Amino acid sequence: DQQVKQNSPSLSVQEGRISILNCDYTNSMFDYFLWYKKYPAEGPTFLISISSIKDKNEDGRFTVFLNKSAKHLSLHIVPSQPGDSAVYFCAASVNTDKLIFGTGTRLQVFP
Amino acid sequence: DTGVSQDPRHKITKRGQNVTFRCDPISEHNRLYWYRQTLGQGPEFLTYFQNEAQLEKSRLLSDRFSAERPKGSFSTLEIQRTEQGDSAMYLCASSLPLGQEFEAFFGQGTRLTVV
Repeated sequence: DQQVKQNSPSLSVQEGRISILNCDYTNSMFDYFLWYKKYPAEGPTFLISISSIKDKNEDGRFTVFLNKSAKHLSLHIVPSQPGDSAVYFCAASVNTDKLIFGTGTRLQVFP
Repeated sequence: DTGVSQDPRHKITKRGQNVTFRCDPISEHNRLYWYRQTLGQGPEFLTYFQNEAQLEKSRLLSDRFSAERPKGSFSTLEIQRTEQGDSAMYLCASSLPLGQEFEAFFGQGTRLTVV
């Protein structure tokens, strides 16, 4: 049972434009959501998180939106930069217990 | 603080041998997690600790896997009688949940290759 789903395996965006990465979940008990960026052969790098009492959280170029009724969250990166090219994972947690990860979306930002 | 540290970064072992990995979390973090990641997949939960107590272990985890966090600081993950299917990246993360904020930070991982 895949509780956290990232249905787009890849995304290609031009430098300077907006990147939107999507994530869906099935467990309504999830109350924390996190986004990570991962380069090959490295550990995931934490980007931004949001709790279920909020519907938006911003940190610099990164904004996460949470739609609880749709069980959907998205990560917006504006403006996209070539250094943003990586695999992005969303993860969810119940009460800060273990993180359940999606399968990732590979983002490529081209000039 | 330099973040979460894992040792070794790479390990090649023969099938049937035992291996042990170490994780040093961020110093004030009371939660420590172990994950495993294979190519094309997201990190898969193995187990986690709050201080020295092991709170949960994945039901999918073989009895050959064991983890400890004896003094609530560093942790070790041991795999006994390794199999080729154990080849993966083993990741450690730590966190200090505070109110409405939850951030978990990963180490660089240990790449295990079983030959």
